[in-house]
Amino acid sequence: GQNIDQPTEMTATEGAIVQINCTYQTSGFNGLFWYQQHAGEAPTFLSYNVLDGLEEKGRFSSFLSRSKGYSYLLLKELQMKDSASYLCAVRDGDYKLSFGAGTTVTVRA
Amino acid sequence: GAVVSQHPSWVICKSGTSVKIECRSLDFQATTMFWYRQFPKQSLMLMATSNEGSKATYEQGVEKDKFLINHASLTLSTLTVTSAHPEDSSFYICSASGGRGVNTGELFFGEGSRLTVL
Repeated sequence: GQNIDQPTEMTATEGAIVQINCTYQTSGFNGLFWYQQHAGEAPTFLSYNVLDGLEEKGRFSSFLSRSKGYSYLLLKELQMKDSASYLCAVRDGDYKLSFGAGTTVTVRA
Repeated sequence: GAVVSQHPSWVICKSGTSVKIECRSLDFQATTMFWYRQFPKQSLMLMATSNEGSKATYEQGVEKDKFLINHASLTLSTLTVTSAHPEDSSFYICSASGGRGVNTGELFFGEGSRLTVL
């Protein structure tokens, strides 16, 4: 099976920066995704990495190192609405997408 | 953009009854749809991969006779929870790839269906 690890919870203040790490061990690799999920809602797509390096998208950036089986999602200028669960998901050699347990980020004023 | 619609959003049923959940891709054709289940404070667990015109592929530990999946067209997949029991109470989410996400394989998720079995 796939093994995707990310921290359970993180707390930060409004305006701060948060980095959510994700490590993975999968049979084959065909891309890593980050999704945001608010409580009781479906996940929404944030980012996609398939090559090593940093992908920047406004306040959100995602980094990938395939050799280390490691990714992080960087959230800058945190806003209250960023309080949510952030899911790291890896697509394996069979193109199946497996999700980590999610990291609950709480933004405080 | 690519949109996936799922309904019902909420369903409460008695133990022993069957519940059908629909998942539609609204503005693109999805040859493959995925059904996930999520228990509180846990991750999304893939239940099955639904392929248009063929039998669904179920993940290990998922009973195919209990969770019936039908993918009758390129825009519609249904999940029927047969003889539901309280332990089946969960958040069921469908997803599809295609449309503007076809190059990355990005999945677009439906709104989810929260099932409560009494």
